[in-house]
Amino acid sequence: RKEVEQDPGPFNVPEGATVAFNCTYSNSASQSFFWYRQDCRKEPKLLMSVYSSGNEDGRFTAQLNRASQYISLLIRDSKLSDSATYLCVVNTRQSSASKIIFGSGTRLSIRP
Amino acid sequence: GAGVSQSPSNKVTEKGKDVELRCDPISGHTALYWYRQSLGQGLEFLIYFQGNSAPDKSGLPSDRFSAERTGGSVSTLTIQRTQQEDSAVYLCASSLGDREGYGYTFGSGTRLTVV
Repeated sequence: RKEVEQDPGPFNVPEGATVAFNCTYSNSASQSFFWYRQDCRKEPKLLMSVYSSGNEDGRFTAQLNRASQYISLLIRDSKLSDSATYLCVVNTRQSSASKIIFGSGTRLSIRP
Repeated sequence: GAGVSQSPSNKVTEKGKDVELRCDPISGHTALYWYRQSLGQGLEFLIYFQGNSAPDKSGLPSDRFSAERTGGSVSTLTIQRTQQEDSAVYLCASSLGDREGYGYTFGSGTRLTVV
């Protein structure tokens, strides 16, 4: 089982739709969580951190469920510019070592 | 600088040659990661530096790969006797630390092509 698993995608949705991605992680010691976005042939860029209480940034809402070990990303009123690959990132810290794991990404395509 | 700087942005090398890739993290960032990404694939962890701690080298694919970080700032990834399967984009990321909310900023990568 992979340490971080994401919906495989691709998701192909119409402009204006609401779309949600889930990501599960296997290590209960995981401490911090992020969603990144990667455009084709570009480096990943931080979309938002995921806080324990959940957080919202405009059309984007991230939530964390520690009991079930998953995080989610909700995009409302999707725009054509939201088309990208969304990467789930989990940071696990054990003793003095820290390790961040990237999910393999979910590809999102918004159609007009 | 304002962001993570990587050089060169593109490198074409002959099979069997050695290459050095450079990463200049954001000033003050103590954590530094190297990843590589093949076309259409996910990110593959290579190595992680955190402050003065011993680096986590668990992702290096073979002993041809090595990395160092001098003075807690600039890092160099060295690939010896390059092979065609080493062709990928090599990405560096830095962070203030590993606490909740501290994200990672990526450089624009070095695209390595081994011919």
